Amino acid sequence: SQTIHQWPATLVQPVGSPLSLECTVEGTSNPNLYWYRQAAGRGLQLLFYSVGIGQISSEVPQNLSASRPQDRQFILSSKKLLLSDSGFYLCAWSTRHENEQFFGPGTRLTVL
Amino acid sequence: AQSVAQPEDQVNVAEGNPLTVKCTYSVSGNPYLFWYVQYPNRGLQFLLKYITGDNLVKGSYGFEAEFNKSQTSFHLKKPSALVSDSALYFCAVRDNSGAGSYQLTFGKGTKLSVIP
Repeated sequence: SQTIHQWPATLVQPVGSPLSLECTVEGTSNPNLYWYRQAAGRGLQLLFYSVGIGQISSEVPQNLSASRPQDRQFILSSKKLLLSDSGFYLCAWSTRHENEQFFGPGTRLTVL
Repeated sequence: AQSVAQPEDQVNVAEGNPLTVKCTYSVSGNPYLFWYVQYPNRGLQFLLKYITGDNLVKGSYGFEAEFNKSQTSFHLKKPSALVSDSALYFCAVRDNSGAGSYQLTFGKGTKLSVIP
């Protein structure tokens, strides 16, 4: 069966510090991968998605970036965090031929 | 463009009563529709989906949803609510007419509270 991991689970970082969040998927090959941010426990905002290694599409302008160095690894990064980057970050995957996305447990990021 | 509306921020229902969480959508082509549930500080869990076929879709934990094309709705229902159903529910849509796009658009969520 497929599983999706995210780490760390929680993170507290000062403004201006760098960020690296990691997501890995097991049990499937060539998944589509997604990064979402959820603010205040409500709506999800799609940040990035990837259909293959090195292929990243950005949905909103921001100081975040994403990379996909391996087929089942998706990384969310920032060089300098802002207060507004605080939130709950969710990684998700889907197959190329099915439609539902499956979500990881999330990372709670607090920028102080 | 595709969009989803969940008109109720919160729904309260007594335990044992039927529940409905509303969702309407807008797409240019045919919709793929989904429901997810989120418990506090957890990721989203997939409940059910409508792709094609029977308008009544059955999913996990006794939930079902009815696709209504004329009303562009996909309401989530359960005949008898449990306290453990209390959570945040998200409706999502994907427009099947777009080539190469697997993006889902999510509603803002509806908080369901089941009162003992």
